[in-house]
Amino acid sequence: DTGVSQDPRHKITKRGQNVTFRCDPISEHNRLYWYRQTLGQGPEFLTYFQNEAQLEKSRLLSDRFSAERPKGSFSTLEIQRTEQGDSAMYLCASSPISGNTIYFGEGSWLTVV
Amino acid sequence: AQSVTQLGSHVSVSEGALVLLRCNYSSSVPPYLFWYVQYPNQGLQLLLKYTSAATLVKGINGFEAEFKKSETSFHLTKPSAHMSDAAEYFCAVSDGGTASKLTFGTGTRLQVTL
Repeated sequence: DTGVSQDPRHKITKRGQNVTFRCDPISEHNRLYWYRQTLGQGPEFLTYFQNEAQLEKSRLLSDRFSAERPKGSFSTLEIQRTEQGDSAMYLCASSPISGNTIYFGEGSWLTVV
Repeated sequence: AQSVTQLGSHVSVSEGALVLLRCNYSSSVPPYLFWYVQYPNQGLQLLLKYTSAATLVKGINGFEAEFKKSETSFHLTKPSAHMSDAAEYFCAVSDGGTASKLTFGTGTRLQVTL
């Protein structure tokens, strides 16, 4: 059990550029979640997958955001045409379907300049 | 809809003193409740969870929390603070059953002084 892994840990990008984050969940965890955390706030739910199916999306997930989990293993979160308001930490988490605990990764910091 | 309110964005205690971090929840169904800790520039680590079993829950690092339905509270305590406890603490609620999405509070930053 290597834990939830996220890459890159830090990303600085210019406004208008696209960025992509990758998340590798704990092996055999069927559910995968993306959260966003801004400074001084708690994490906010963005979306989650059960296997490869994206089952729920928050209204926070604008059309510039897209998440995929093509083979039900790792996931990517892409942000197109980044804006300064996108600066935040993007947290990935996973859980088994039958379990009741969500395990978080270390997060990916995004700074849009 | 579910929500969590954490009273006090900053709490300061002396080393060796009691730690009390407050959390009140709102849920239309029996909730599952969690406390997570976050150290600077890191992700969230689970401290403890309530999942409708024992109302007094013991977690890691000497922390515990008590679920009080009548008060809709799930306060986090530790008898004796240590310098290493300085961090941000988040209370979260889910709608129970198998793992589902969490709704977090705004967090409480714990400062521990000598």
